[in-house]
Amino acid sequence: QQPVQSPQAVILREGEDAVINCSSSKALYSVHWYRQKHGEAPVFLMILLKGGEQKGHEKISASFNEKKQQSSLYLTASQLSYSGTYFCGTDNDYKLSFGAGTTVTVRA
Amino acid sequence: EAQVTQNPRYLITVTGKKLTVTCSQNMNHEYMSWYRQDPGLGLRQIYYSMNVEVTDKGDVPEGYKVSRKEKRNFPLILESPSPNQTSLYFCASRLASNEQFFGPGTRLTVL
Repeated sequence: QQPVQSPQAVILREGEDAVINCSSSKALYSVHWYRQKHGEAPVFLMILLKGGEQKGHEKISASFNEKKQQSSLYLTASQLSYSGTYFCGTDNDYKLSFGAGTTVTVRA
Repeated sequence: EAQVTQNPRYLITVTGKKLTVTCSQNMNHEYMSWYRQDPGLGLRQIYYSMNVEVTDKGDVPEGYKVSRKEKRNFPLILESPSPNQTSLYFCASRLASNEQFFGPGTRLTVL
């Protein structure tokens, strides 16, 4: 079952912040975050593991609430390069399912 | 270079004509998956594999088959394609608890 992401889309000016949320109805082993630019494959940003370990991007942060089966991605002081579609992926016993995505547009 | 490759990148075919999309990875990853991407629906998992000869259904497996006879290869087979399988397909691979690498995508059109 796919996780649920919100919002579906967000428009920012350079320097503004945004939060993307991801929730699952199932217990999670880990949560992944990816960004996809138009016409390209998704690219890894971050993985948050059960127990608190994180691996990934230096400038983008995220949180993982294991009990609530939720994760949030924080885009801080956004740059033009942050534009794209963001996907969360929920890892439940080998199966990595993705949400419908959040389209982020950063304007100068 | 560590990568996931898919072939073909573009394919136009007709309803009912069997086709195979190949996927190969050179990173010795255990897990491999196939996804389809449609506007507004995100990435939906078709099938995944945990290792050689071990596969399982994802969220939208109907109309697709897969096999994993070698660790590096995970082909996607459409026995009788239909127009509703027109989509952008991604193959991906990873190790447990690590980032997933995506192939470049295969754009399939079924007429």
